[in-house]
Amino acid sequence: DGGITQSPKYLFRKEGQNVTLSCEQNLNHDAMYWYRQDPGQGLRLIYYSQIVNDFQKGDIAEGYSVSREKKESFPLTVTSAQKNPTAFYLCASSMGQNPYEQYFGPGTRLTVT
Amino acid sequence: GEDVEQSLFLSVREGDSSVINCTYTDSSSTYLYWYKQEPGAGLQLLTYIFSNMDMKQDQRLTVLLNKKDKHLSLRIADTQTGDSAIYFCAGPAGNMLTFGGGTRLMVKP
Repeated sequence: DGGITQSPKYLFRKEGQNVTLSCEQNLNHDAMYWYRQDPGQGLRLIYYSQIVNDFQKGDIAEGYSVSREKKESFPLTVTSAQKNPTAFYLCASSMGQNPYEQYFGPGTRLTVT
Repeated sequence: GEDVEQSLFLSVREGDSSVINCTYTDSSSTYLYWYKQEPGAGLQLLTYIFSNMDMKQDQRLTVLLNKKDKHLSLRIADTQTGDSAIYFCAGPAGNMLTFGGGTRLMVKP
């Protein structure tokens, strides 16, 4: 079955530690995205990548970093510079860079204490 | 204002129809989407409509598009408790897909 996987489902970290969230897709999609969702809020775009080895900042990129070394994978690192990292993180992919429909993973809930 | 806007909350009784509304600003010819998010889960693509259509029906779901007013709506017929979720509309903003803030639908038994 094709789809997007995110791991782990729940992640706990101490303040000051970097943490990397995994996102993998086997849909052969070119574009991948990371969103942050806070309780009762909509989605905010962190980073996106339209092609391997290239990515662009979204609306709230500060304190985050990404890489896109493989088409299937788009990991997100939440660094210690992110002031309020506790949130629900969603990864998505789409066929191309135009506003095609995006397919979402199940999300990772990150709690930093 | 925001590229895509939605009302925050809707409460209906089981068996009634629900209508969730969305307004957008980009008038590009493209698809507009409705997603559903259940608690603690990712977004699930529910349905979509192309901008040259006025209406699309898919079982209990009806999407209406008013291009003149840039208004999109999702009607859920015979709403069930399992329809309780957050519903997001999504539309174009330049060459990106942008999401509304989500409408929380609560279905009372």
